[in-house]
Amino acid sequence: EAQVTQNPRYLITVTGKKLTVTCSQNMNHEYMSWYRQDPGLGLRQIYYSMNVEVTDKGDVPEGYKVSRKEKRNFPLILESPSPNQTSLYFCASSLFDRGGSPLHFGNGTRLTVT
Amino acid sequence: AQTVTQSQPEMSVQEAETVTLSCTYDTSENNYYLFWYKQPPSRQMILVIRQEAYKQQNATENRFSVNFQKAAKSFSLKISDSQLGDTAMYFCAFMKPPGSGNTGKLIFGQGTTLQVKP
Repeated sequence: EAQVTQNPRYLITVTGKKLTVTCSQNMNHEYMSWYRQDPGLGLRQIYYSMNVEVTDKGDVPEGYKVSRKEKRNFPLILESPSPNQTSLYFCASSLFDRGGSPLHFGNGTRLTVT
Repeated sequence: AQTVTQSQPEMSVQEAETVTLSCTYDTSENNYYLFWYKQPPSRQMILVIRQEAYKQQNATENRFSVNFQKAAKSFSLKISDSQLGDTAMYFCAFMKPPGSGNTGKLIFGQGTTLQVKP
């Protein structure tokens, strides 16, 4: 089944404790990205990657890191989480072969930082 | 910079009736793409419908259709014969055309929560 898999689904952590949210897609998509969803703000892009070893900042990159060592994986790293990073996070991918390719989303990770 | 606005935070509709969700956007681009995504309580983001700006014809997917008014920069979603399973948050989103930077990026509106009542 074609899908984007992200883990964990729920995560509670404390301020300053490094964490990684994993994301993997099995559709051979070039484009991958991370979004955070907050009430009243919709989804905002954190980072994106157009291909292996090519990553760039989105609209809200502060406090986050990513890597793209393999085409299928795109982990999101929070080196020192803070309470304002409490949010719902989505990984997404698309084929990027032509304009307007829809994004396919993972099931989300609910992160709480205390 | 492009922006997307959904001015209705919450809406409700009776089962089997029709409801329209509003979306406006701002862009200087001529060719672009517009989407509606559905997010049920399960949190999944599900693509509902996609519209290409250079196509005059409004997109339709079963009970879901759009009213795309390019000059007015309006992209509303009409749900006919509403069902209980349509209860969800709905997001309108904009995507730039190819060749203009981060073209895989979706710019989302704030979302509209739709409650379908039995």
